[in-house]
Amino acid sequence: DAGVIQSPRHEVTEMGQEVTLRCKPISGHNSLFWYRQTMMRGLELLIYFNNNVPIDDSGMPEDRFSAKMPNASFSTLKIQPSEPRDSAVYFCASSLRQGDRNGYTFGSGTRLTVV
Amino acid sequence: GESVGLHLPTLSVQEGDNSIINCAYSNSASDYFIWYKQESGKGPQFIIDIRSNMDKRQGQRVTVLLNKTVKHLSLQIAATQPGDSAVYFCAENIGGSNYKLTFGKGTLLTVNP
Repeated sequence: DAGVIQSPRHEVTEMGQEVTLRCKPISGHNSLFWYRQTMMRGLELLIYFNNNVPIDDSGMPEDRFSAKMPNASFSTLKIQPSEPRDSAVYFCASSLRQGDRNGYTFGSGTRLTVV
Repeated sequence: GESVGLHLPTLSVQEGDNSIINCAYSNSASDYFIWYKQESGKGPQFIIDIRSNMDKRQGQRVTVLLNKTVKHLSLQIAATQPGDSAVYFCAENIGGSNYKLTFGKGTLLTVNP
């Protein structure tokens, strides 16, 4: 099992540009989560999908952020336009099923720097 | 120690010593807790969990203690090794919402050889 796969590992972009982060969850997992990690606020849940459907997007900071999950094996998090304060490490995580209380499996993250 | 939502404390120990990492949670409705380990450049990794109907759970070299009276959680690592050096997070599951984990800011554990 390759685990949760995120790409790119690092992204440096200029303010105002569109950024797309990608995630492939573990095969068979039907819950997917996007988290953002900063030193100031720690790990914050941005959005949660169950069976490809967004269930809770209350953590998405503003309309510049959007997330999709077109199928069970792929999700994207898009920021448009990007701003320097979006710089953070973005993690995708998946779990086997809703109600699975053994925690999530996290990917290695995408370190985003907006200059 | 650590409080969910506050600054990042640091713990430095000698190799072979036991480590205790603390976490205070604020929501008495939380009924499930998880400890994660995050090494540099990696995502958080599940270590051990505990439900609110328990006050102790043991894994391999790790023990989690839960004190619901004072809303306190601790992670004990026996015979700490250099490979244990990482940031450790506690996370709480609030009110039965089975997906929404709230993470603390973490504790940086440094193991000196």
